[in-house]
Amino acid sequence: ETGVTQTPRHLVMGMTNKKSLKCEQHLGHNAMYWYKQSAKKPLELMFVYSLEERVENNSVPSRFSPECPNSSHLFLHLHTLQPEDSALYLCASSQVKGSYNEQFFGPGTRLTVL
Amino acid sequence: RKEVEQDPGPFNVPEGATVAFNCTYSNSASQSFFWYRQDCRKEPKLLMSVYSSGNEDGRFTAQLNRASQYISLLIRDSKLSDSATYLCVVILNTGGFKTIFGAGTRLFVKA
Repeated sequence: ETGVTQTPRHLVMGMTNKKSLKCEQHLGHNAMYWYKQSAKKPLELMFVYSLEERVENNSVPSRFSPECPNSSHLFLHLHTLQPEDSALYLCASSQVKGSYNEQFFGPGTRLTVL
Repeated sequence: RKEVEQDPGPFNVPEGATVAFNCTYSNSASQSFFWYRQDCRKEPKLLMSVYSSGNEDGRFTAQLNRASQYISLLIRDSKLSDSATYLCVVILNTGGFKTIFGAGTRLFVKA
């Protein structure tokens, strides 16, 4: 068990829907991440909340909106998505100690946009 | 040039074989290195860190070559359960720390 949980595990939504992905870490870590994994592509870092500071990948479209209410919870709010946004969305957490950064991943949410 | 590059494979090897993967990185500010393993339809999990002097964990050996900017993973006596995708991960120190994943190398171990 990784100590990082994600819900829902599977999500199918239309382009006009609004939905949210939830991530919770039970490891006492100080950083949380959202990644997108598409077929045959590297994991793409979308957002980081580290030591209460948010860092984002400027290439992520505004239809993805993160929220981190506390160090244990992370949300990804989705609205007006496109079919190309269909992918596996992985949440991770870590205890940042300088450059040593082992990330623990949740099981992911497999998202399909119709 | 990609920041982290891996041969996507797939590598098809028989049980008991020795197989090696390389991963090249382009940024000399790369400071920490890891190998992760990802099983089909599962999340990535840390396999091992890569230390400057090289390190071994059972059948797995990791090496770092800073001069040529690559890391390697050697698997000896392959098992069927080693079948997975192996992800190279590099952490850059460019004022802040940035984690970069490679696209992975797919390994199939056959009976």
